[in-house]
Amino acid sequence: NAGVTQTPKFQVLKTGQSMTLQCAQDMNHNSMYWYRQDPGMGLRLIYYSASEGTTDKGEVPNGYNVSRLNKREFSLRLESAAPSQTSVYFCASSEGHRHGEQYFGPGTRLTVT
Amino acid sequence: GQQVMQIPQYQHVQEGEDFTTYCNSSTTLSNIQWYKQRPGGHPVFLIQLVKSGEVKKQKRLTFQFGEAKKNSSLHITATQTTDVGTYFCAGPSFGGYQKVTFGIGTKLQVIP
Repeated sequence: NAGVTQTPKFQVLKTGQSMTLQCAQDMNHNSMYWYRQDPGMGLRLIYYSASEGTTDKGEVPNGYNVSRLNKREFSLRLESAAPSQTSVYFCASSEGHRHGEQYFGPGTRLTVT
Repeated sequence: GQQVMQIPQYQHVQEGEDFTTYCNSSTTLSNIQWYKQRPGGHPVFLIQLVKSGEVKKQKRLTFQFGEAKKNSSLHITATQTTDVGTYFCAGPSFGGYQKVTFGIGTKLQVIP
C-alpha cells in the first residue's frame, strides 16, 4: 500500500517549457488535490477533483491544467512554465466526505529558470 | 475563500520548554484539522476536532477547539528535537466540503 505517489521528485524547466506532474493513490479515495507550497505562503490549492470525472479551480489555478484520468490518477500540467511557478508541488487525496483528512504525496520540487 | 490565521509564524524553543501555536477564523468552523510537516517532508495529518470545546491529547500534544468553534490551539509539552517541523491548521473552505484552507503554518525549531 504505497499511499500517494508523485513523479518526478525533482524537475528543472526553462521558461516556456511544458511538463506534466503525475499523481496516483491506491487508497480508493474519491477526492484528489494539487497544492503548491512556497516559503511564507503555506499550502495553496491549485485544483481539486471532488470525485472521478470532476475538476474545479482552487485558489491559484492560473497557468495550470489538470486531468482526473481515473479514480486513482490526477495529473497537473504546466503548459508554458514561468519562473513564478518555481515551487514545491504536493498531491493529496481524501475519502471525500465531510471531515475527511488528507493524505499527501512526497512532493515534486520544480525550478523554472 | 475561508481564512484561517495562524500565529506565530516561527518559534524557537529550548528542548524541554513548552510550545503553543494558535489558529483563528473570523467565521465558525465545522471542524479543524492539524498537520505536521517535517523539514524536507510532506504534511502528515495529526488530528481533527469537530465539537465545540473539544480537547484531544496525543502523548505530549494537546489540541483544543474553542467554544465558539472559531479558534484552535496545539500545545506541545516538554518539546523534543523530534518535534521540529511546521505545524499547520486547516479549516473547511467555502464552495465544497471536500476542500480545506490551510493556515500559513508555525515553524518550530527546538534547540538542544
